[in-house]
Amino acid sequence: GQNIDQPTEMTATEGAIVQINCTYQTSGFNGLFWYQQHAGEAPTFLSYNVLDGLEEKGRFSSFLSRSKGYSYLLLKELQMKDSASYLCAVPPGTASKLTFGTGTRLQVTL
Amino acid sequence: DGGITQSPKYLFRKEGQNVTLSCEQNLNHDAMYWYRQDPGQGLRLIYYSQIVNDFQKGDIAEGYSVSREKKESFPLTVTSAQKNPTAFYLCASSGGGTDTQYFGPGTRLTVL
Repeated sequence: GQNIDQPTEMTATEGAIVQINCTYQTSGFNGLFWYQQHAGEAPTFLSYNVLDGLEEKGRFSSFLSRSKGYSYLLLKELQMKDSASYLCAVPPGTASKLTFGTGTRLQVTL
Repeated sequence: DGGITQSPKYLFRKEGQNVTLSCEQNLNHDAMYWYRQDPGQGLRLIYYSQIVNDFQKGDIAEGYSVSREKKESFPLTVTSAQKNPTAFYLCASSGGGTDTQYFGPGTRLTVL
């Protein structure tokens, strides 16, 4: 089975850097996804990591360590609009399905 | 302008009534999914379909039914057998050689 752990809530200041961690246990591994979800809205795709290392995409970066079952999402130069939930998700053996973590709710303050 | 549409955005039903939620995509994706999200919780998979005329139960299929008669459409029926139907329902699709799922705007169902 799959088990995904993320912190429930985080708070950070506008302009700062925040790291949102995700640990997972899966029977097979086919990559790890990060999604952003604003309150009341649908999740939007942020990143997909299948190999170890850091992938940068603008202000957002995502890191994966397969040997440690660990990933993080790094958000730089935080803006108020970054206040949202960030969902970590992994496919089980059948790649087309996703198992989601409960998400980390990030609040950006002035 | 490709995307996934869900209708309606808000839906109210009386207890004991069946209700069907619409999901349409014009992305030419083979796979489609239905999730349920409750306040403060993650997404839970209800049903998914990897190809037309075929679908599989997800983690919480009891009280729900689906059909996949066309590639573009994957409607979800919430039956009276579902004990706690009030939730935010999200439809997603994937395809084009990647497993990345893209979501529709969601339907918020409230059963009175």
